[in-house]
Order: sequence, then structure tokens, then C-alpha cells
Amino acid sequence: QSALTQPPSVSGSPGQSVTISCTGTSSDVGSYNRVSWYQQPPGTAPKVMIYEVSNRPSGVPDRFSGSKSGNTASLTISGLQAEDEADYYCSSYTSSSTYVFGTGTKVSVL
Amino acid sequence: QVQLQQSGPGLVKPSQTLSLTCAISGDSVSSNSGTWNWIRQSPSRGLEWLGRTYYRSKWYRDYAVSVKSRITINPDTSNNQFSLQLNSVTPEDTAVYYCAKNANWGFAYWGQGTLVSVSS
Repeated sequence: QSALTQPPSVSGSPGQSVTISCTGTSSDVGSYNRVSWYQQPPGTAPKVMIYEVSNRPSGVPDRFSGSKSGNTASLTISGLQAEDEADYYCSSYTSSSTYVFGTGTKVSVL
Repeated sequence: QVQLQQSGPGLVKPSQTLSLTCAISGDSVSSNSGTWNWIRQSPSRGLEWLGRTYYRSKWYRDYAVSVKSRITINPDTSNNQFSLQLNSVTPEDTAVYYCAKNANWGFAYWGQGTLVSVSS
């Protein structure tokens, strides 16, 4: 199972929007709505920000939103804030009853 | 509130077995909802899901293809915990290992992480 493909880095100024893509295949992202997104500041465990493509857990700001089209899922951070600077990973369930993570994207706030 | 506490050695010799345990509080390993997972992270491999166990009238286990021949994940109902064993380790198995619960909202609960180095 190959990792889902994400851009290595994205950046934006405070208040701007950034979007991170997560490209898989018809055996994972394209076939299941069990796509989730994780935020990981340095030295900490990942924290779920989006689950089932577009749902936010309690406590996650509504600046974070998710979507999916075909084999590609996306995470958008609107109104970028300094505290959003972190690594972000997507994850998907697969047709083999396993999970696969994305390659990770570093978000920088300029 | 679910809490996961990992324990196990931080150094393993090549060809030996890596063993970690994840103790659960605030939930039960025998719960009929959610699954209990092991995930690792290294600079070269990123985040990598290794496998899971869960109970739905009987115990199930699923493993990543990359480690399927070497891995065992077992529940321990007596101590409300689950374990990871990875056999025949090499330096490429050096990583931070996490246990995590996958609830309906993704990998919602994580252990503190254990850095395991494979070196002689």
C-alpha cells in the first residue's frame, strides 16, 4: 500500500486560506468516506482535525474544513493563524481493511 | 476520557523482537466500538499504520502488508491493554511508535509515543 500523496509544504500569510491536497487511488480515498486529517506540531502526537471527509470533532475551529472529489481529498484552513503552523497528514481506510497515511505537508505562516 | 499509556524498551538489537504495551484507561480493550491500533513515524517512512485489533463478538486483527510476516498485536483483557510485537527488526524499524484508538471520528486518542532505536 503506497502512501497518499500530499504536497511537501504550503504557506500563507495570516488571514489567508491554504488548501492541502491528498491524492490516493480507487482502493482508498476514492472508495471510502473514511478520510481524516491530523495536525502535528513538533514533538507531539497527531491530533484529529477532520474525520469522514468533512466532519470536525468537538473543539476544532470551523476554520478547518474538508472535502473530497474522486481520488483526492482536501483540507482547507481559512483565516490562517500563527498557531496553525504544523505538519498535517491525511489518512484513509482501504479496501484491504487497513489504513494508509499521507506523506505529510508542512504548513508555514509567513 | 480515554487515556493510553505506552511502555517498553527504547533500544532493541537487530534481529531481535520489539515489544511494546499500551495500557488503556477510561475505556475497555473489549469494547464493541472502535479499534486499537499501532502506528509508527520515522523521517524516512513518515506516518505508517502497522495494524489493529478489535472485538466484535470475537477478536479480529488486521496488519499492514509491509510488516505482516513479522507483526503480532494482541489484546490483554485481564490488564485492559494491548501489545505490539515486531520480530526480526532491522535499523529501518527505528521510529517513534504510537498506540491509538480509532473511534468513529478517526484516530482520536493517542499514546505518548515511544522512540525505539534498533542498534547493536
